[in-house]
Amino acid sequence: SQQGEEDPQALSIQEGENATMNCSYKTSINNLQWYRQNSGRGLVHLILIRSNEREKHSGRLRVTLDTSKKSSSLLITASRAADTASYFCATAPKPYTDKLIFGTGTRLQVFP
Amino acid sequence: DGGITQSPKYLFRKEGQNVTLSCEQNLNHDAMYWYRQDPGQGLRLIYYSQIVNDFQKGDIAEGYSVSREKKESFPLTVTSAQKNPTAFYLCASSSLGLTRVYSEGYTFGSGTRLTVV
Repeated sequence: SQQGEEDPQALSIQEGENATMNCSYKTSINNLQWYRQNSGRGLVHLILIRSNEREKHSGRLRVTLDTSKKSSSLLITASRAADTASYFCATAPKPYTDKLIFGTGTRLQVFP
Repeated sequence: DGGITQSPKYLFRKEGQNVTLSCEQNLNHDAMYWYRQDPGQGLRLIYYSQIVNDFQKGDIAEGYSVSREKKESFPLTVTSAQKNPTAFYLCASSSLGLTRVYSEGYTFGSGTRLTVV
C-alpha cells in the first residue's frame, strides 16, 4: 500500500534556486524520512524527522513536519546540478510497524 | 567498508524460469527488506525479515520467495508464478532500536534490474 504521495511529480529549476517538495500521508506515524535516488541506483537516506519534531536541518536540506495536516516538506536550498534525482518520502506508521512505506517520488531536474 | 551488496546488477529471465537475486550486508543490521520498483513509481514491499529464520510477507509477495538462514544474507527468488517480474529490485537493511522504533534510516543496495526475455 502506498501511504505517501509527493507533490509535484516533477520539478525543473535552475542551479542556485531552491527546490521544495511536499509529501502527504494518511495515517499517524512514528517518523518520516526522505530519500534520494539517482537514476538506476539505490536509495540514499537523507534525513529523518520524528513525529514530535516540527523542523529539522541537515546541510542544505530543511524538512518540516505538520502532523495535524499529515504532511511534510523537503526544501533544498541553493540547488546544484548534482541534486538532480528522484526524492521519496517514507513513513513509519503507528502503531509500531517494522517497515517503511514509500511514496511515489518527485523527480527533480536542476539545470546548470 | 560496510555496506549492502546486490548481485547481479542485470538479470535476464526466460519464461517459466526461477531466478534468485542476492543481497548481502556487513552492517550487522537485524532487519532486511526487498522492494520492487516499476518505472516512474515508488517502492513496493515484497518481503522483510527482522531475525534469522523468520520473515514476513509485504504487500506484493505473490510469486516471490525468500530465506534468511544467515543474518548477513537475504536472497529473493522470483518464481515462474510471478507473471510480470520485469522491474528494478532493491534490497535494504536497518538496525532495530531497543524500543523498536527506527532511529535511523534504511541502507539500500544498488539494485538488480530483472528483465524477462
